[in-house]
Amino acid sequence: SYELTQPPSVSVSPGQAASITCSGDKLGDKYASWYQQKPGQSPVLVIYQDTKRPSGIPERFSGSNSGNTATLTISGTQAMDEADYYCQAWDSSTNWVFGGGTKLTVL
Amino acid sequence: QVQLQESGPGLVKPSETLSLTCTVSGYAISSGYYWGWIRQPPGKGLEWIGSIYHSGSTYYKPSLKSRVTISVDTSKNQFSLRLTSVTAADTAVYYCARQSCSGDFCYSSAAFDIWGQGTMVTVSS
Repeated sequence: SYELTQPPSVSVSPGQAASITCSGDKLGDKYASWYQQKPGQSPVLVIYQDTKRPSGIPERFSGSNSGNTATLTISGTQAMDEADYYCQAWDSSTNWVFGGGTKLTVL
Repeated sequence: QVQLQESGPGLVKPSETLSLTCTVSGYAISSGYYWGWIRQPPGKGLEWIGSIYHSGSTYYKPSLKSRVTISVDTSKNQFSLRLTSVTAADTAVYYCARQSCSGDFCYSSAAFDIWGQGTMVTVSS
């Protein structure tokens, strides 16, 4: 079965760039999406098809995907960006799959 | 705007069947897209359960496939989840979501772009 691996936690100082990685076999050959989830709320799509931002998502959110790793980058991180982030992809063996999630802390 | 709302019992007994419905407003399910169910156990991550294409094709997580059925009722603009033989491990917040993408059978690029608010289901006697 296909698995996506994320670091459990990432810390960043306000105003700095935060990078969250998502690893999977030949993930660069698939489309990666990213979701933000704040406590007690439903997930929100922040990046789809590797690099695209849905309407209403700030420009400081960007994505890339190559080789075995997809990366979500938040430039100029703000306190409001503190949340859990999940990557997601599709594979023929498992259909849709989510990574385990990364807790982003803005110190 | 498009909205999704889950409904169903908040408490299910072990070995019984969990049944949830997602009512969609602002978009006709029959018009397109995939429609999925995702769950999140307390304090844990997201787990995709299964999805249904607007044409009726279904896709299930392999480890849950023997217990899951997803169906659609276009007349009510709803899609539903049935999970049989539940145990405490099935206790979770259950979300329904739209999966949008361009073109027919575009599953490889489909992203969960609109989510319901989620409903907590507890499995306990």
